[in-house]
Amino acid sequence: GAGVSQSPSNKVTEKGKDVELRCDPISGHTALYWYRQSLGQGLEFLIYFQGNSAPDKSGLPSDRFSAERTGGSVSTLTIQRTQQEDSAVYLCASSHQLGQYYEQYFGPGTRLTVT
Amino acid sequence: AQTVTQSQPEMSVQEAETVTLSCTYDTSENNYYLFWYKQPPSRQMILVIRQEAYKQQNATENRFSVNFQKAAKSFSLKISDSQLGDTAMYFCAFMPTYNQGGKLIFGQGTELSVKP
Repeated sequence: GAGVSQSPSNKVTEKGKDVELRCDPISGHTALYWYRQSLGQGLEFLIYFQGNSAPDKSGLPSDRFSAERTGGSVSTLTIQRTQQEDSAVYLCASSHQLGQYYEQYFGPGTRLTVT
Repeated sequence: AQTVTQSQPEMSVQEAETVTLSCTYDTSENNYYLFWYKQPPSRQMILVIRQEAYKQQNATENRFSVNFQKAAKSFSLKISDSQLGDTAMYFCAFMPTYNQGGKLIFGQGTELSVKP
């Protein structure tokens, strides 16, 4: 079956612009996660969604970052007023349900470059 | 705070040989999961193996096995009969208990090169 897909694969934007990154999870997966992979910070958790519950936003680095998940499926990560330190690979993952019992399947990521 | 440390930024091994990647972690919790993920140049993270903290038996998946030392908070990955396709970045990851959701805490990674 289809895996987790992300778009775009690569995004170059100018400092100060807003960007939207999209994630399509595996069909039927109720939990969705965003992670960021950068040279300076390694791989870090950003946010997760589980069904209709309130998302855990504890990993978002600033209020310029937000995410939503519409209809319990597709998720969009939005970065406003991008800064150079936002340059990173943004990875999305989904799992059947939330928690350690369920394997997280990752997408190929979106490489964001802020110039 | 829970942390994961991989002390080997880079490693190399000859094809068909065995290599061990190190990982240590810090937590005050008693129940958790540990994982090794592989990230090839395609960027797609792939789960290699996982270990439940309450299980004393070390997990194995074909050529991949772990040495889980709970008291020492150590979780190393052994790759036997290394293959060229094993060349990738390997991440050790920790998942806190259920009440904290499914967020993974990753180490900094070890870049493994398998040489012919």
